[in-house]
Amino acid sequence: NAGVTQTPKFRVLKTGQSMTLLCAQDMNHEYMYWYRQDPGMGLRLIHYSVGEGTTAKGEVPDGYNVSRLKKQNFLLGLESAAPSQTSVYFCASNSPMDYEQYFGPGTRLTVT
Amino acid sequence: EDQVTQSPEALRLQEGESSSLNCSYTVSGLRGLFWYRQDPGKGPEFLFTLYSAGEEKEKERLKATLTKKESFLHITAPKPEDSATYLCAVPARRSGNTGKLIFGQGTTLQVKP
Repeated sequence: NAGVTQTPKFRVLKTGQSMTLLCAQDMNHEYMYWYRQDPGMGLRLIHYSVGEGTTAKGEVPDGYNVSRLKKQNFLLGLESAAPSQTSVYFCASNSPMDYEQYFGPGTRLTVT
Repeated sequence: EDQVTQSPEALRLQEGESSSLNCSYTVSGLRGLFWYRQDPGKGPEFLFTLYSAGEEKEKERLKATLTKKESFLHITAPKPEDSATYLCAVPARRSGNTGKLIFGQGTTLQVKP
């Protein structure tokens, strides 16, 4: 049981480049989330999904897009990276039965 | 507005020196309060869920308690391996069936040997 996995672990982008972060979970969870974590700002919700084929905006969605084509996968895309998107990104998932979220190990992204 | 505030931001303790971390919230109709531990370079790891005022949960040297407005994470005789950032979170008031959580900014605990 791998839980929640994220790829890649690290990435450096130049301003304007695009990339996709992949989150996968093997717990058959309906709900999945993307957060960013910045010093002094805590965890902020970017986008979330309550089921396959559904997505919704969180607290800080601008500059990001997401897709949930398969129940176990949740993709976060940056179409044109900006230095303000330098952050650590976490994916999480949980079942509708409770609010306990399981987190992935994170992706550290630097945009220069 | 839903808010979760943790204090202190940072705490340094000597090994064996007990203390408490605080998490206060403004969400009405609380549907649970969650404590997580986060080690450097890793994702948050779930510790406890508390659902009602007066409830307590324990795990090794940690004990979490809940009142109507705040929660405390008591650390008894801490060891260096307890050093981490501790996060608390509550369901957003209008989270409906989405499972969305509001996180505090965390307390970074350092326990020196």
